[in-house]
Amino acid sequence: DAKTTQPPSMDCAEGRAANLPCNHSTISGNEYVYWYRQIHSQGPQYIIHGLKNNETNEMASLIITEDRKSSTLILPHATLRDTAVYYCIVRVGYNTDKLIFGTGTRLQVFP
Amino acid sequence: GAVVSQHPSWVICKSGTSVKIECRSLDFQATTMFWYRQFPKQSLMLMATSNEGSKATYEQGVEKDKFLINHASLTLSTLTVTSAHPEDSSFYICSADGGQDTQYFGPGTRLTVL
Repeated sequence: DAKTTQPPSMDCAEGRAANLPCNHSTISGNEYVYWYRQIHSQGPQYIIHGLKNNETNEMASLIITEDRKSSTLILPHATLRDTAVYYCIVRVGYNTDKLIFGTGTRLQVFP
Repeated sequence: GAVVSQHPSWVICKSGTSVKIECRSLDFQATTMFWYRQFPKQSLMLMATSNEGSKATYEQGVEKDKFLINHASLTLSTLTVTSAHPEDSSFYICSADGGQDTQYFGPGTRLTVL
């Protein structure tokens, strides 16, 4: 079973920041938080991951609370192409560990 | 970033036939690949873990004799759906470990069984 809880859907105006929350209250000390997104009828796309420190890359920022029980993915300037289902996943950070997808958050960016 | 391809991107077959789907890591080697299935309006469901040079590990409820997985090289894993039936119609997606604790996904293969 997925170890995360996300809102089923969110809306965001184009050009504004999209803040997608994720709860992972049972996360273990050696588990990372990963974010992927899936645009309709495509394979998931890796966005970002982190252990306990906040992370930023060219796509997004990841803010992890100090107790690591929740996190927020931030898309600083959402565009229409960011409309997708966003998945928050926790897993041990080595590549033979499988990714278990929950239901994700459907983000709709509107003009 | 690392690129994973799948072939074919879509396939239509008759009930009772077998279909092979290829998953390739184009610019990196992957000792482990994963196969997922996704039904309309649902999330991805992991089917099996494919390990180069050894047998695949199947998730509970996935029939290993129906979904044959072969990972013969560090860049290729194949999924064969044997004796396909309409209920096997789905979106099949593979992923590969691309290093740096990250998995990369293929674009998916849409299978329609008539």
